[in-house]
Amino acid sequence: NAGVTQTPKFQVLKTGQSMTLQCAQDMNHNSMYWYRQDPGMGLRLIYYSASEGTTDKGEVPNGYNVSRLNKREFSLRLESAAPSQTSVYFCASSDNTEPTSTDTQYFGPGTRLTVL
Amino acid sequence: GENVEQHPSTLSVQEGDSAVIKCTYSDSASNYFPWYKQELGKGPQLIIDIRSNVGEKKDQRIAVTLNKTAKHFSLHITETQPEDSAVYFCAASLARWGGYNKLIFGAGTRLAVHP
Repeated sequence: NAGVTQTPKFQVLKTGQSMTLQCAQDMNHNSMYWYRQDPGMGLRLIYYSASEGTTDKGEVPNGYNVSRLNKREFSLRLESAAPSQTSVYFCASSDNTEPTSTDTQYFGPGTRLTVL
Repeated sequence: GENVEQHPSTLSVQEGDSAVIKCTYSDSASNYFPWYKQELGKGPQLIIDIRSNVGEKKDQRIAVTLNKTAKHFSLHITETQPEDSAVYFCAASLARWGGYNKLIFGAGTRLAVHP
C-alpha cells in the first residue's frame, strides 16, 4: 500500500516550457487535490477533484490545468511555465463518501519544481 | 474569505520541555481542525485532528484544544524529543458529506528541539 505517489521528485524547466506532474493513490479515495507550498505561505489549493469526472478551481488556479484520468490518477499540467511557478507541489487524496468519510487528507512526497 | 493565522512562525525548545502552537480561524462555520507535521523533504502527515463538537483531544504526548467561541485552537506537545523537530501546520475546514473538505492552512511553525 504505497498511499499517494508523485512523479517526478524534482524538475527544472525553462520559462515557457510545459510539463505534467503525475499523482496516483491506491487508497480508493474519491477526492484528490493539488497544492503548492511556498516559503511562509503554508499550502494553497490549486485544483481539486471531488470525484472521478469532476474538477474545480481552488485558491490559485491560474497557469495550471488538471485531469482526473480515473479514480486513482490526478495530473497537474503547466502549459507555459513561469518563474512564479517555482514551488513544491503536493498531491493529496481523501475519502469523502458517506458513510466512510474521515475528512483526512493524505499527502504525497511532493515535486520540487524550479522554473528558470 | 476563510483565513487561518498561526503563531509562532519559529519555536525553539529544550528536549523535555513543552511546545505550544496556536491558530485562529475566521469562518465560524468551520468544523474540522487537523494538524500536520512535515519533516524535511517529505509531504505533510496528519498527527491529530479535532472536530467542533469536542473541546480537547489527546494522543500520547500530543493534545489539541479548541475554543469555538474565540475561534482558536492549539497544539500542545509535552516532553519534546529531537524527532519532534519539524514544521507543523494547522488547518481549518467545513467538512461535509459527499463533497470535498476545503482545507485552509496556516503558514506553519518550524519547531526545533535541542538535546
